[in-house]
Amino acid sequence: DAKTTQPTSMDCAEGRAANLPCNHSTISGNEYVYWYRQIHSQGPQYIIHGLKNNETNEMASLIITEDRKSSTLILPHATLRDTAVYYCIVRVGGSNYKLTFGKGTLLTVNP
Amino acid sequence: DTAVSQTPKYLVTQMGNDKSIKCEQNLGHDTMYWYKQDSKKFLKIMFSYNNKELIINETVPNRFSPKSPDKAHLNLHINSLELGDSAVYFCASRHTDTQYFGPGTRLTVL
Repeated sequence: DAKTTQPTSMDCAEGRAANLPCNHSTISGNEYVYWYRQIHSQGPQYIIHGLKNNETNEMASLIITEDRKSSTLILPHATLRDTAVYYCIVRVGGSNYKLTFGKGTLLTVNP
Repeated sequence: DTAVSQTPKYLVTQMGNDKSIKCEQNLGHDTMYWYKQDSKKFLKIMFSYNNKELIINETVPNRFSPKSPDKAHLNLHINSLELGDSAVYFCASRHTDTQYFGPGTRLTVL
């Protein structure tokens, strides 16, 4: 699976949009981009995933560049409960599905 | 209505002991996983079972033995516990492209 690079930490004001970047310059054509987050002392939580097109769900939006070498996770209106470590993961689809977690980005939402 | 549950939540034990962590999912998923998160917060996959069959076995000491009595359960048995086994262990189950994680079991080996 391709390697990802994320900033170690970011801050965001409550109520503002949080934009979390991820670089995956070695991504292959059949690799998906996944985002999970881990709130302190809890299990990771799925947020969103995509292949080529931008995706949106009730939690967030995922913007993937046209060359697919980077992506941005957008939390449109961050709340204090969104403070967590956010993981960007690239993986190949298929039956032997596994997630390889990196260090992630610690997003701190400030009041 | 817990989707993926683990017991116990905390486990403190002495070196050399044998212990088990239980995981149950009520989501009807066929695939389950065990992950380990060490003190540096790296989360690494250990095992994966699909319909009671082992499909992923990362480089894990053979002191760790997963057991799946049915597809709703994936238990982790650890023999001869060592200090380095101290970590948080997460169970997960998968439906299509999404993994659902349990709350974790914090294992402390003294």
